[in-house]
Amino acid sequence: KQEVTQIPAALSVPEGENLVLNCSFTDSAIYNLQWFRQDPGKGLTSLLLIQSSQREQTSGRLNASLDKSSGRSTLYIAASQPGDSATYLCAVRGGAGGGADGLTFGKGTHLIIQP
Amino acid sequence: DAGVTQSPTHLIKTRGQQVTLRCSPKSGHDTVSWYQQALGQGPQFIFQYYEEEERQRGNFPDRFSGHQFPNYSSELNVNALLLGDSALYLCASSLGSGLARETQYFGPGTRLLVL
Repeated sequence: KQEVTQIPAALSVPEGENLVLNCSFTDSAIYNLQWFRQDPGKGLTSLLLIQSSQREQTSGRLNASLDKSSGRSTLYIAASQPGDSATYLCAVRGGAGGGADGLTFGKGTHLIIQP
Repeated sequence: DAGVTQSPTHLIKTRGQQVTLRCSPKSGHDTVSWYQQALGQGPQFIFQYYEEEERQRGNFPDRFSGHQFPNYSSELNVNALLLGDSALYLCASSLGSGLARETQYFGPGTRLLVL
């Protein structure tokens, strides 16, 4: 069964710092990996999607990498801002028990950027 | 272009009752997935509908059922509600091209409280 783990569970840093969020998954036979942002009580906003054949994706201050063979992904946030405060979720599509269609999510990293 | 919409936004039910949640996919999308997100947890995949049929199902009991209409909108039905069904229910839409590379776009969710 595919399992996704995110470390750390929570993180609080001063504004302006660069930071890294980690995600690991147990079965490397994935189709893709996606990073989402969730604000309190809200739905999910897709940040970056990395296909299994890709190594990284970038969008603005965000960069996500994927090492499929080791079952790891990182989300790098440059020059953090208070508006980046949210919960960040990692999800994979595929892998044992995950099927081709449903996403398997981690529990998320709760990020607070201090002004 | 309206994104994924869900109704109602909030709902309060009592144990044993039945509930129906609704979802309209993003324009141009033909596939709808449903997820349950308990407080402090990542979303869990319930099932996915494509061409009015359930295409894949997660580890949820038969009390959870769904339907997709010809206009691609979808309903999630939960019978015999339990306290543990209290959660945020998220709908996601995507293109059902059969390729697993497509991004899933999420709606704002329906918050269900079972008393």
